[in-house]
Amino acid sequence: DAGVIQSPRHEVTEMGQEVTLRCKPISGHNSLFWYRQTMMRGLELLIYFNNNVPIDDSGMPEDRFSAKMPNASFSTLKIQPSEPRDSAVYFCATTRQTVQETQYFGPGTRLLVL
Amino acid sequence: GIQVEQSPPDLILQEGANSTLRCNFSDSVNNLQWFHQNPWGQLINLFYIPSGTKQNGRLSATTVATERYSLLYISSSQTTDSGVYFCAVALGNYGQNFVFGPGTRLSVLP
Repeated sequence: DAGVIQSPRHEVTEMGQEVTLRCKPISGHNSLFWYRQTMMRGLELLIYFNNNVPIDDSGMPEDRFSAKMPNASFSTLKIQPSEPRDSAVYFCATTRQTVQETQYFGPGTRLLVL
Repeated sequence: GIQVEQSPPDLILQEGANSTLRCNFSDSVNNLQWFHQNPWGQLINLFYIPSGTKQNGRLSATTVATERYSLLYISSSQTTDSGVYFCAVALGNYGQNFVFGPGTRLSVLP
């Protein structure tokens, strides 16, 4: 099994630019989570999907952030326009359908907004 | 919202020593997991343990849900155990809206 795949692994962009982060879940996993990790705030849940439907997006910081899961094998997290305070490591994690399940994390995308 | 505390914040051990990491949470939860983040940033799930005790090699974990705490035991520590250990809890109908604790940073010296 390839595990959770995230791309790109590193992204450097300038303030105001659009950033798109991508995640491919483990095959057969129907719940997908986006997290952000910073030194100041630690690991924060941004949004999670179940069967491609957003269940809770209360962690999304503001309207500049949006996430989609058009099908069971792909999700995107978009920031438009990006700001320096968005610099962080963004993780995607997935679990199987069952509610009480182990989370498997991707390697993360390290984003730097200049 | 639910509060998660971890102690100690930092821990330095000599290789071969044992340690206990603690996670306290402020509300009843139906999902609790322990994770290890290695020095390269990768997050690895160690245990799914909303209650009871589990063991996996040199690691074991116990959650006392009624008293709202969980413990992670590391025995005969190795340098590869270094990194940050996170406790994450979730509540609600789906039990998946996770809140992570601040972590315990462990350094195991050779």
